[in-house]
Amino acid sequence: AQKITQTQPGMFVQEKEAVTLDCTYDTSDPSYGLFWYKQPSSGEMIFLIYQGSYDQQNATEGRYSLNFQKARKSANLVISASQLGDSAMYFCAMRVPFLDGGSQGNLIFGKGTKLSVKP
Amino acid sequence: DAGVIQSPRHEVTEMGQEVTLRCKPISGHNSLFWYRQTMMRGLELLIYFNNNVPIDDSGMPEDRFSAKMPNASFSTLKIQPSEPRDSAVYFCASSFTGNTIYFGEGSWLTVV
Repeated sequence: AQKITQTQPGMFVQEKEAVTLDCTYDTSDPSYGLFWYKQPSSGEMIFLIYQGSYDQQNATEGRYSLNFQKARKSANLVISASQLGDSAMYFCAMRVPFLDGGSQGNLIFGKGTKLSVKP
Repeated sequence: DAGVIQSPRHEVTEMGQEVTLRCKPISGHNSLFWYRQTMMRGLELLIYFNNNVPIDDSGMPEDRFSAKMPNASFSTLKIQPSEPRDSAVYFCASSFTGNTIYFGEGSWLTVV
């Protein structure tokens, strides 16, 4: 079964420190994509970073990096130099093809991790 | 560039009324998704369109829900009749083949 697991319901981090949000996934498809989204209290879903299953290097986007360990099926998000504005829910998601075999696919979401940045 | 645009942002309606949520995907995107977010169930896919054609509607809860995409720049999600358990945030999202899925700001629906 295709599944995303985020085991940390909530986390605290001190401002300016780095934090790692855990994500493990399960799929038998060889081709998949892994995403992280941020949902602040205002409710919108903000795309942060993407990692393809065939990508050799870990993805980075500014202060965000994705620690992709394919053998362990993990895709942890690392936020460096945390800021107060990073306080939000963070969702890990996996995109796998639909059953029709199309290149498009649905996003399967984890339950999220609520990150709180302390001043 | 404009992102995915949803309307209304907030709607409060009485049980039994019809609700129509609207979405304008990002120009050039050929896939459109409707998701629902609740505390109990998290984010769930309701329906997925590719090139304006519904591909997977297995997530649509029941016949009270319907979705259309008459052209590449517009989609609607309709609930008729609405029930209190339909209260949720409804997200529209779009993407171009195999690429990142971008979300709108969501429509917050409350059915009383």
